[in-house]
Amino acid sequence: KAGVTQTPRYLIKTRGQQVTLSCSPISGHRSVSWYQQTPGQGLQFLFEYFSETQRNKGNFPGRFSGRQFSNSRSEMNVSTLELGDSALYLCASSFKSGTDNEQFFGPGTRLTVL
Amino acid sequence: DQQVKQNSPSLSVQEGRISILNCDYTNSMFDYFLWYKKYPAEGPTFLISISSIKDKNEDGRFTVFLNKSAKHLSLHIVPSQPGDSAVYFCAAKDYQFYFGTGTSLTVIP
Repeated sequence: KAGVTQTPRYLIKTRGQQVTLSCSPISGHRSVSWYQQTPGQGLQFLFEYFSETQRNKGNFPGRFSGRQFSNSRSEMNVSTLELGDSALYLCASSFKSGTDNEQFFGPGTRLTVL
Repeated sequence: DQQVKQNSPSLSVQEGRISILNCDYTNSMFDYFLWYKKYPAEGPTFLISISSIKDKNEDGRFTVFLNKSAKHLSLHIVPSQPGDSAVYFCAAKDYQFYFGTGTSLTVIP
């Protein structure tokens, strides 16, 4: 079974631009969660999508948004990029939402904002 | 506010000795706790977990201990091997996952 894939793996953008990251979950998984990893902050939860609906949302500004498609693939968008958005963005998939006790992570997208 | 904390950013241990990684949490409603291991350029991978109704769970060289009264979680690795060198994240769950900031473990051959 193929794992969680994320594209692109690396991205360089400038302040003010917007970016879209993609995540394909493990086949059969319907929940996709997004995390931001920065040094000193660990993994911070952005949001979770399940069956094309946002189920939970972390404490991030509205510049961070996401969506999920009918095939469970998910995209995350960040608008008006700031230097502080430079981070590793990880997505994780699980079969169920909320009650599932294990998530499977992709390799992440490294975003650098100049 | 960080609900899950790992106060040691790094730890070095000699091969064959015990590695103890610690984690503290603030929310008594967490019902499940996990440890993840992360190598550079890879996503975190699940290592071991424990339900809040237990106080210990073992899986080979890895044992997780949960002290609910102290809101403290620890991971013991015995014996430590060079391949265990990685960043370890603890996580706690209610309806979503909360992760600590990670501890970088170096096992010295």
